[in-house]
Amino acid sequence: DVKVTQSSRYLVKRTGEKVFLECVQDMDHENMFWYRQDPGLGLRLIYFSYDVKMKEKGDIPEGYSVSREKKERFSLILESASTNQTSMYLCASRARDRGNYGYTFGSGTRLTVV
Amino acid sequence: GNSVTQMEGPVTLSEEAFLTINCTYTATGYPSLFWYVQYPGEGLQLLLKATKADDKGSNKGFEATYRKETTSFHLEKGSVQVSDSAVYFCALSDRGGAGGTSYGKLTFGQGTILTVHP
Repeated sequence: DVKVTQSSRYLVKRTGEKVFLECVQDMDHENMFWYRQDPGLGLRLIYFSYDVKMKEKGDIPEGYSVSREKKERFSLILESASTNQTSMYLCASRARDRGNYGYTFGSGTRLTVV
Repeated sequence: GNSVTQMEGPVTLSEEAFLTINCTYTATGYPSLFWYVQYPGEGLQLLLKATKADDKGSNKGFEATYRKETTSFHLEKGSVQVSDSAVYFCALSDRGGAGGTSYGKLTFGQGTILTVHP
């Protein structure tokens, strides 16, 4: 069974800390995505990557950066965590195949910044 | 830009009731349309999809038809079960250019919480 694994289900961090959220997929997918999920706002795209070392900003990239050094791993970095970054973070991946539009999502990391 | 609007929730139904969750979209070109479901404590799972006008996606008793003329993709189920309680997201995927980096990005609606009581 294909999988997207997020390293932590729950995290509590302090304001100003540098935070790393890790995502690993085992499907050899080219494209990987980071979304945040907030009540009433749905999922909003933070960053995505279409290849190793390649990245593009999504709709809400401010305060975040990403790293993709290996095809299977896509990391989201909060340079200096703030309370307004308290949220559920979801990682997803998909193949670049034109016939396959489906995303596979991880289970999410619920981050609380105090 | 692309956008998806879902009906306001939460929706509360009794078991075996009929379900409709409305979804409308704004997009350039010819997007693909999706419904995703998120069960408590889990990530999102693809429920169904439609890739062109008049296509009907279906899965687990749920259906949705891609209506280009009304830019809608409403989710329906004839008889809901307690196990259908979840959050439902409507989404669209832009096609982008050939090999373009925007290809396949998903834009989501705000989600609709469904609770089904016995």
